[in-house]
Amino acid sequence: EPEVTQTPSHQVTQMGQEVILRCVPISNHLYFYWYRQILGQKVEFLVSFYNNEISEKSEIFDDQFSVERPDGSNFTLKIRSTKLEDSAMYFCASSSDSLVGTQYFGPGTRLLVL
Amino acid sequence: GDSVTQMEGPVTLSEEAFLTINCTYTATGYPSLFWYVQYPGEGLQLLLKATKADDKGSNKGFEATYRKETTSFHLEKGSVQVSDSAVYFCALTPRGSGNTGKLIFGQGTTLQVKP
Repeated sequence: EPEVTQTPSHQVTQMGQEVILRCVPISNHLYFYWYRQILGQKVEFLVSFYNNEISEKSEIFDDQFSVERPDGSNFTLKIRSTKLEDSAMYFCASSSDSLVGTQYFGPGTRLLVL
Repeated sequence: GDSVTQMEGPVTLSEEAFLTINCTYTATGYPSLFWYVQYPGEGLQLLLKATKADDKGSNKGFEATYRKETTSFHLEKGSVQVSDSAVYFCALTPRGSGNTGKLIFGQGTTLQVKP
């Protein structure tokens, strides 16, 4: 069964450093998403991506964040200058249909900012 | 804005007990509704979904019915197993023009089933 993969599984970084979280969505999917879950809190939407551009972003997704689909298979989330409060589990998801299609989630990347 | 509220956890049950996890939502229009499950150390997996009022989603013995009149989507299972121990998330996708399929999640309910 096809699956969404994410790398790395864990990332530790110093405050102010840039991090890139990588995702490989399911190959025939067209809609891509990033979510995050701060420890003990709910899963929050960050951004959706379709047709090589951002289709929606949340208030959390400020200028420090960016997404890219550089080569038609990878989907990346970059945080330019990490803050302590960026420490969270980041999930990538993909879907074949934006409204009723199932979103398939990756296993997540746990980011710890020191 | 749109939101989802789930019952507080953790929920602890004995094996073969009946499970109900309450979920209510606030949304404009008629969203699609989902239950996702997260097993320890894993990502979220879709458990079931319903896309219109009175639809019943079901999978692996779990069921939930889309109730427009009470804006609810409660999760039920007649007889839980130890292997059902996980965190359960209720979620919605707003409908209407400009919606991109983003999921809005409830806070999650931890279920622990004891032998």
